[in-house]
Amino acid sequence: QKEVEQNSGPLSVPEGAIASLNCTYSDRGSQSFFWYRQYSGKSPELIMSIYSNGDKEDGRFTAQLNKASQYVSLLIRDSQPSDSATYLCAARVSGGYNKLIFGAGTRLAVHP
Amino acid sequence: GAVVSQHPSRVICKSGTSVKIECRSLDFQATTMFWYRQFPKQSLMLMATSNEGSKATYEQGVEKDKFLINHASLTLSTLTVTSAHPEDSSFYICSATSGVNSPLHFGNGTRLTVT
Repeated sequence: QKEVEQNSGPLSVPEGAIASLNCTYSDRGSQSFFWYRQYSGKSPELIMSIYSNGDKEDGRFTAQLNKASQYVSLLIRDSQPSDSATYLCAARVSGGYNKLIFGAGTRLAVHP
Repeated sequence: GAVVSQHPSRVICKSGTSVKIECRSLDFQATTMFWYRQFPKQSLMLMATSNEGSKATYEQGVEKDKFLINHASLTLSTLTVTSAHPEDSSFYICSATSGVNSPLHFGNGTRLTVT
């Protein structure tokens, strides 16, 4: 059974701090990884995609991938109350499929 | 870019009726579309994978005769909930991708309430 694991949270951080969200995956053949943000009652929106080991930065967001450890993380710098949402980690299933396996999500709360 | 349009955004129907939900990729060709269901405070649950011109692949436990999926073109997939019951009330979300190395882009979801 291919799985993606996330801590459900809530992760509470003060405004302006760095929020660190973590995710592990079981499918060693996965090559593509994604972070989505989902506000309550809304559909997920793509924040970052990462395919290679190392860091990838986009504005206040940095995704990190370590394929040897099967670990993906998302750092949010200068966290804002508007970042409060559930963050979903996803890994593309290996074997020629387009399917993504989603984690259950980590709820982030940024307090003023 | 990469916009997925889904409608209706909200629908209320009576038990026993059928409801059709449309999902369109507006600015890219979607080789694969996915249909998810999400109950309150739970994660996304993949219902089925749909490739243009072929039959949908349903996840275990999802009734293919109840949730009819049609992927008639590279930009349109539909989900029909047949003979809906109150337990089918949920948030249904479609997503689309243009290829194996591309992310999934989600529609805005359809909140279905069956009375």
